Amino acid sequence: GEDVEQSLFLSVREGDSSVINCTYTDSSSTYLYWYKQEPGAGLQLLTYIFSNMDMKQDQRLTVLLNKKDKHLSLRIADTQTGDSAIYFCADKNTGTASKLTFGTGTRLQVTL
Amino acid sequence: EPEVTQTPSHQVTQMGQEVILRCVPISNHLYFYWYRQILGQKVEFLVSFYNNEISEKSEIFDDQFSVERPDGSNFTLKIRSTKLEDSAMYFCASSEQGEGEQYFGPGTRLTVT
Repeated sequence: GEDVEQSLFLSVREGDSSVINCTYTDSSSTYLYWYKQEPGAGLQLLTYIFSNMDMKQDQRLTVLLNKKDKHLSLRIADTQTGDSAIYFCADKNTGTASKLTFGTGTRLQVTL
Repeated sequence: EPEVTQTPSHQVTQMGQEVILRCVPISNHLYFYWYRQILGQKVEFLVSFYNNEISEKSEIFDDQFSVERPDGSNFTLKIRSTKLEDSAMYFCASSEQGEGEQYFGPGTRLTVT
């Protein structure tokens, strides 16, 4: 079945860039998403990318997609302490109302 | 900014009891979803719902589970006879189009004792 994998933990210093990586197996994925989950909170949609795009930039966030290697990354520029959270990538395949398949989540810790 | 809301935020129930988790999706959205996250595990898809019927469901969504849109605003998940392993955070989501981005509510933490 489909699988989405992420590394579990990333620690960066405030002001540095963070890069969170994700790999997926479903070659029919049409959309790939990044969600942020702060402690005790829900899932906040950060950004998404269509599978026919290589890159998308949205303010401090840059998403890179390598469809050949089924690799997705999220770069956060000038990381702040408020960026500390768990980041989930998720993929969605074709079909209306189709499900999201989530990764394990990467806990980002931002240190001073 | 419109958002998905869920009630209650925390529900404690005894094993074997029925629970109903409630969601109010974003008002112009037509597609609705339930996911769950057992503590420390991945977020898992349960069911999607469109045009008053289930579009897709996972293996987790067995006969103990049901969904309903009882009126024009609410979307509910019912667990008929709760088990200890149903303890999880349950998230509702909605999207305007089936292919569109899904917006999640804050979740209901269900604790089965």
